[in-house]
Amino acid sequence: GENVEQHPSTLSVQEGDSAVIKCTYSDSASNYFPWYKQELGKGPQLIIDIRSNVGEKKDQRIAVTLNKTAKHFSLHITETQPEDSAVYFCAAHDYKLSFGAGTTVTVRA
Amino acid sequence: KAGVTQTPRYLIKTRGQQVTLSCSPISGHRSVSWYQQTPGQGLQFLFEYFSETQRNKGNFPGRFSGRQFSNSRSEMNVSTLELGDSALYLCASSLSSGTYEQYFGPGTRLTVT
Repeated sequence: GENVEQHPSTLSVQEGDSAVIKCTYSDSASNYFPWYKQELGKGPQLIIDIRSNVGEKKDQRIAVTLNKTAKHFSLHITETQPEDSAVYFCAAHDYKLSFGAGTTVTVRA
Repeated sequence: KAGVTQTPRYLIKTRGQQVTLSCSPISGHRSVSWYQQTPGQGLQFLFEYFSETQRNKGNFPGRFSGRQFSNSRSEMNVSTLELGDSALYLCASSLSSGTYEQYFGPGTRLTVT
């Protein structure tokens, strides 16, 4: 089955700096890659996604890149703000969503 | 548009009991997937229901089951509860089965004592 690895497990950045989270997947059949943000006491919130026929997608301060050949995809957050502090999960979809272990992002004011 | 709702939000049960959790998807969404979230195992797929039929199933024992009703609402049941079943149970709804965006509810926190 699909195996998704996510790095780093924790990330501390200064407010205004950029944050980058990287994921790799194992199943070449996976063709949909969403990213979720989970705040304490809440369910995961879909923040951006990318499909296998696209190399990059951007939404305001958030961007995702996909390299199908290398089987890796990344989340980039620019101009980080304190409200970006949360746990972020990457996922890959073959017939189901398989999640990475999560990255705890802390934005220091 | 209202989001995904899950009831109850918190539940405490004793080993050996059974429990039923409920999920109401976003209006118009016909697919519901269930996930278990624990600190040790992370987010793991339980099963997906679409048009009242189980479409896919994760690697969980038969004690975990579910169903979907004609209005797309879904329930999951866990029988003979074990301590290790303590987790946050999340449901996610999507328009259809397949690579559609999945939107999660707030989850049901189950504690087994």
